[in-house]
Amino acid sequence: AQSVSQHNHHVILSEAASLELGCNYSYGGTVNLFWYVQYPGQHLQLLLKYFSGDPLVKGIKGFEAEFIKSKFSFNLRKPSVQWSDTAEYFCAVILNDYKLSFGAGTTVTVRA
Amino acid sequence: ETGVTQSPTHLIKTRGQQVTLRCSSQSGHNTVSWYQQALGQGPQFIFQYYREEENGRGNFPPRFSGLQFPNYSSELNVNALELDDSALYLCASRAGMGDNEQFFGPGTRLTVL
Repeated sequence: AQSVSQHNHHVILSEAASLELGCNYSYGGTVNLFWYVQYPGQHLQLLLKYFSGDPLVKGIKGFEAEFIKSKFSFNLRKPSVQWSDTAEYFCAVILNDYKLSFGAGTTVTVRA
Repeated sequence: ETGVTQSPTHLIKTRGQQVTLRCSSQSGHNTVSWYQQALGQGPQFIFQYYREEENGRGNFPPRFSGLQFPNYSSELNVNALELDDSALYLCASRAGMGDNEQFFGPGTRLTVL
């Protein structure tokens, strides 16, 4: 069965620091990859997605992610975080036509 | 906000009881998926409905069942509740089977005592 692993459970950093969250998946075929974010008290919302093409994907709010097929990775990055980036971040994979498989999530706390 | 609504917001039940959770999909969306998010974990896929038919199911027992109505709203029913069923239940809708972007509702927090 496929799985999604997120490397960090909780990340704490200061404003203006750079952020990188790791995500690995265990499936050798074609995958569609996503990063979702859940701000405190809000819905899960899509940050960015990769289906095909340029492996460097840009999303909302200055986030980007790089798909490295040889490493089965899809790491999320932001060069300079803000206090408002405090949230829980989920990496997800969709293999067939319906099932999103999520990682366990990474809680990001940005200190002002 | 996504346009996906869920009710109720919170619910408290006791073991053995039955519960029904409801979801209204975003306008124009005919596909609804349900997820269970236990505390400290990522959402786990329960099942999906497309045009009123279940067409995908995760690793959940038969006491988790659902319905989709002609207006594409959906229900999740859980029978014989267990303590481990305590979780946030999320509904997500999308425009169709060919569209992989899902829009999530706010969830229903179920507590089983």
